This record gives sequence, structure tokens and C-alpha cells, in this order.
Amino acid sequence: DAGITQSPRYKITETGRQVTLMCHQTWSHSYMFWYRQDLGHGLRLIYYSAAADITDKGEVPDGYVVSRSKTENFPLTLESATRSQTSVYFCASTGFGNQPQHFGDGTRLSIL
Amino acid sequence: QKEVEQDPGPLSVPEGAIVSLNCTYSNSAFQYFMWYRQYSRKGPELLMYTYSSGNKEDGRFTAQVDKSSKYISLFIRDSQPSDSATYLCAMSGGGGSNYKLTFGKGTLLTVNP
Repeated sequence: DAGITQSPRYKITETGRQVTLMCHQTWSHSYMFWYRQDLGHGLRLIYYSAAADITDKGEVPDGYVVSRSKTENFPLTLESATRSQTSVYFCASTGFGNQPQHFGDGTRLSIL
Repeated sequence: QKEVEQDPGPLSVPEGAIVSLNCTYSNSAFQYFMWYRQYSRKGPELLMYTYSSGNKEDGRFTAQVDKSSKYISLFIRDSQPSDSATYLCAMSGGGGSNYKLTFGKGTLLTVNP
């Protein structure tokens, strides 16, 4: 099915471990985004990408790494997970800069 | 002052009521305004998208933008229990950052049968 999919949907890991969240979209959208959603903070932008091999920091990038070797994929890696990174992570995409973003259903990440 | 302010609620209404959801913002450069609906354990889903000032209607939903007052609204007529969700306003625009959305924190709405 066309759309944007995130995997895994749920993940539990321990502090200090590396974890990668996957995002795949089938629309060939140029722009892709990673957000985290926390109570009291709403949605905050972590990283975004305007095209393959072009990425840039958002509002809360510390502790995260992204790559975009293919247009359709935009993985987010926590290199050494901390408890403060426990959150719900959403990936989004859009074809043009001023068009609305379309979101995946999120990954619930718990770091013990 | 935060860039986008949205009353978090919660808001509880009876089925059939008219619901009014609002956001205020401070950045006069915003030109694109969106409302997203988010069900529990799901991603935000685009509900309405408007450019600049004015009204837009889609079925039971009406979005209003008043740029002079920096105020946007979403009205839901004949509300249904299936409208129970968190509603997020979002906006963008200005210079070279059209693709960056600034979100409100969301309003939790419950429609009681």
C-alpha cells in the first residue's frame, strides 16, 4: 500500500544501546522529517531532509543521527540511548515545501 | 511568548454540539495553516489546509484564518463520538523555511454519545 510506514511500532531498550527507527514512504516525496512527541511539549522536530543525501538539524537534534541514501528511506539512530529519549517518534513527508506533511503512525520507544 | 498557543483542554461536549478549537500565533510570516486530527496511538492526520486568510469548509468542518488577529479556528458541526481525538494546529511560511511546521500542543476533544 502507498503511504508512510514506520518500524518497529514499539521498542524497549536499555540505556547506552544503539537503536535505529525506520521510516519508509512510497510517494517519492522530497522532504522527510523526524519528530518526537512528549506530554507538555507537543511535536518537536529532530531532523529533516530536503532530498537524498541532504539533511539538517531541527529543534532537538542532540543524541540523534540520520541518513538518507535513498529518497524513500529516512532512518533515525540513537547512538547511545538515554532515558530522556523515551518518547513517541513520528516520521513525516511532503512533496513540496509549502504542502502539508503526512505522518506515519509512530514508534513508541521506551528506554529503561 | 510561544510561537503558537493552543488551549490543551480537555474539552468535553455532547454529541451534536458545535465545537470550536482555536490557536493564536505570534509570527506574522506564517502563511500556511493546517489542522491535524490525532487518534490515540496513531499519527496526526491532515484535516484542513488553508493558505492566508479566509474560510474553508469541508463537510462538517470549517477552518478560519484571521491573519490580522493572528488567530485560527476549527469548527466542527454536529459533532460525533468518532470526532473524539486530539486536534493539532500547525502553520508554516516565511522566507526559505516553508517546509518547517510549527505545531500547537493540541486540544483533547471528547464527544459524548
